[in-house]
Amino acid sequence: GAVVSQHPSWVICKSGTSVKIECRSLDFQATTMFWYRQFPKQSLMLMATSNEGSKATYEQGVEKDKFLINHASLTLSTLTVTSAHPEDSSFYICSASRTARETQYFGPGTRLLVL
Amino acid sequence: DAKTTQPNSMESNEEEPVHLPCNHSTISGTDYIHWYRQLPSQGPEYVIHGLTSNVNNRMASLAIAEDRKSSTLILHRATLRDAAVYYCILRRTGYGQNFVFGPGTRLSVLP
Repeated sequence: GAVVSQHPSWVICKSGTSVKIECRSLDFQATTMFWYRQFPKQSLMLMATSNEGSKATYEQGVEKDKFLINHASLTLSTLTVTSAHPEDSSFYICSASRTARETQYFGPGTRLLVL
Repeated sequence: DAKTTQPNSMESNEEEPVHLPCNHSTISGTDYIHWYRQLPSQGPEYVIHGLTSNVNNRMASLAIAEDRKSSTLILHRATLRDAAVYYCILRRTGYGQNFVFGPGTRLSVLP
């Protein structure tokens, strides 16, 4: 149990385009989902926390108008990188938890390359 | 924020036990200690978590010091597939499930 998937697993796009990444909890309902970003040889950095049906809470320094997060159902959250630029190239990882008190289960990650 | 300190890297021989230490001297009374590991180009994988008592599961054991200021993740028989970056994380209280990832310990397993 507790499987989280992400789609796509990798994406290459041109600068200025928008990219949507999906995060799904496959065998459980996730009240809370999280989005992280990881640059090469660095640790994970939390970008935002989203609760189903509510607006996401963004970490300091993360532009909410650039990284749009939607958590419309208990099994799906999406991250849209709007007007992507090369500096947005990174490994994006989501996680999900059944409730705010339970542990997080992570997806396999999505590698984004912006040319 | 309660932070953790781990060695940057460790080495182990295959089929030997591995003890991965973590210091968290500023831990608060209700902070849970979580361990995750991350293989290259993959998302973190849950390993184990605990509060006060030692914990065992099929992957590992977690030994928590009596004062809770440190803990040790124990892999009983290291395999090549255990080579990964291991993160010791405290779940911040009052902020739901926010995890703060440190640099972790890169474990190398030698055949």
